[in-house]
Amino acid sequence: SQTIHQWPATLVQPVGSPLSLECTVEGTSNPNLYWYRQAAGRGLQLLFYSVGIGQISSEVPQNLSASRPQDRQFILSSKKLLLSDSGFYLCAWSRDRRYNEQFFGPGTRLTVL
Amino acid sequence: KNQVEQSPQSLIILEGKNCTLQCNYTVSPFSNLRWYKQDTGRGPVSLTIMTFSENTKSNGRYTATLDADTKQSSLHITASQLSDSASYICVVSDIGPGFQKLVFGTGTRLLVSP
Repeated sequence: SQTIHQWPATLVQPVGSPLSLECTVEGTSNPNLYWYRQAAGRGLQLLFYSVGIGQISSEVPQNLSASRPQDRQFILSSKKLLLSDSGFYLCAWSRDRRYNEQFFGPGTRLTVL
Repeated sequence: KNQVEQSPQSLIILEGKNCTLQCNYTVSPFSNLRWYKQDTGRGPVSLTIMTFSENTKSNGRYTATLDADTKQSSLHITASQLSDSASYICVVSDIGPGFQKLVFGTGTRLLVSP
């Protein structure tokens, strides 16, 4: 069976510090991978998606970047965090782009102070 | 603009009672609609998924309906349990030549009270 992991589960960082959130998927190969941010009272916002190693598409301009160094690893980064980067970050995967049922990880709660 | 609106924003019901959550969407062209359950501080978990040709889908005590003509969906929960307390998110997917995009509603927060 497939599982998706995210870490850390929670993170408190000062403004201006760097960020690295990691997501890994087990039990499948060549998944589509996604990073979402969920702000309080708002729907999930797609930040990045990837259909293969080294292939990253950005949905919204922002202070964040993503990388996919391995088939089942997806990393969300920032060089300098802003207060507005606080939120709940979710990683998800899907088997293919046509049907696109997405399976979500447990999430990372990021607080920028 | 593609949007998904859910109502009510929040709901409190007594354990054992039924409830219905609503979802209206303007996503076009439409591919499929899903309902997710999200426990506090956790990732969403899929409950049902319906394509254009399906108008009802059940998953245990959860029954989703879809009216593609009026662009409305509902999620009915029967004989609610305390563990049903969560946010329920309606998600609509469009049909694209390549990558499908998902449009998320803001969710209905349900509290089942003993």
